[in-house]
Amino acid sequence: AQTVTQSQPEMSVQEAETVTLSCTYDTSENNYYLFWYKQPPSRQMILVIRQEAYKQQNATENRFSVNFQKAAKSFSLKISDSQLGDTAMYFCAFMNWNNNDMRFGAGTRLTVKP
Amino acid sequence: KAGVTQTPRYLIKTRGQQVTLSCSPISGHRSVSWYQQTPGQGLQFLFEYFSETQRNKGNFPGRFSGRQFSNSRSEMNVSTLELGDSALYLCASSPGGRPSEQYFGPGTRLTVT
Repeated sequence: AQTVTQSQPEMSVQEAETVTLSCTYDTSENNYYLFWYKQPPSRQMILVIRQEAYKQQNATENRFSVNFQKAAKSFSLKISDSQLGDTAMYFCAFMNWNNNDMRFGAGTRLTVKP
Repeated sequence: KAGVTQTPRYLIKTRGQQVTLSCSPISGHRSVSWYQQTPGQGLQFLFEYFSETQRNKGNFPGRFSGRQFSNSRSEMNVSTLELGDSALYLCASSPGGRPSEQYFGPGTRLTVT
């Protein structure tokens, strides 16, 4: 079974600074998807970024980028120029290539301080 | 396009009762997945429906069931409620066909007393 581990329960960063959230996963599959989702306080889950395992190039979405290390089974999220609105729970998620069963990590609570 | 909608948003039930939650996916999406979110267990996959058929199932007891209608709307039912069923129940939709990113609704907050 696939497992997703987020080793940082809580993190904080100053506004405008850069922060990196860690995620590791365990799988025997070769093809899969990885995602980062954001869940602001009392608001719904939003997709931040996605990465297909077959793509070597790291995904980027504006201020959000990932460092995907397939051999190490590592998938970290970098947030540049942090904004107050980035305060949220961030979940790393794994999905098999042929299965919509998404497995989530325990989440990292990120606080952006003014 | 309208996002994923879930009704009701909040629900209070008594132990032993049953409850039905509803989810309307994004227009054109044919896959609906359900998740349970609790502080202790985090986000756990319940099941996924595609074209009115359960395509995947998580590790939950048979008290948790679901169905999907021809318009892709989905319902989830929990029978014989237990205190531990108190949670945020999230529904997510995706186009279907091949696995892809899922779009989440706001959730239904269920409290069992």
